Amino acid sequence: DVKVTQSSRYLVKRTGEKVFLECVQDMDHENMFWYRQDPGLGLRLIYFSYDVKMKEKGDIPEGYSVSREKKERFSLILESASTNQTSMYLCASSPSGRTDTQYFGPGTRLTVL
Amino acid sequence: DQQVKQNSPSLSVQEGRISILNCDYTNSMFDYFLWYKKYPAEGPTFLISISSIKDKNEDGRFTVFLNKSAKHLSLHIVPSQPGDSAVYFCAANFGNEKLTFGTGTRLTIIP
Repeated sequence: DVKVTQSSRYLVKRTGEKVFLECVQDMDHENMFWYRQDPGLGLRLIYFSYDVKMKEKGDIPEGYSVSREKKERFSLILESASTNQTSMYLCASSPSGRTDTQYFGPGTRLTVL
Repeated sequence: DQQVKQNSPSLSVQEGRISILNCDYTNSMFDYFLWYKKYPAEGPTFLISISSIKDKNEDGRFTVFLNKSAKHLSLHIVPSQPGDSAVYFCAANFGNEKLTFGTGTRLTIIP
């Protein structure tokens, strides 16, 4: 069974704080993704990575950065959290082909006060 | 600009009847389409997919139909069961691994 784990289920931070969201997958997948899910907007891609140290911007990268130093781990960084970054953050991984299934973690509900 | 749209935010269906969830897209480059299902407090899970070379794909109770000329796809669930109550997202891609998701439809199956 593919397992994608996220470091926290719930997180509360203050405006201006630096926030790290961690994601780990145990299936040796090449691709990893960060999405945010908001009511009425569905899932929107923030960043994805197709290899260690490689990254590509998704649809809404502003205010975020990512790090992939090891194949199994993909981190999302909010350099200076803002209230409009309050959201559900979902990490996913997939093998290497573009039609390969993406497997999602359970999500992190981030609240920025 | 929402390239993948699910115009019904919610849908209620009697148990045992057919559930039909709809999805429209605007980008004619999309050539691979997927449906994901999401329960509360869990991540989305893959349900079924279809390539643009087909117009129908079936997997048990789930069938996806693709109408390329109308840029429309639909998911049929027959018969609907209480465990099908969830949020359903359609998604599309072309060219690379990036998926574009719709806004989701919350399906409620009434016992």
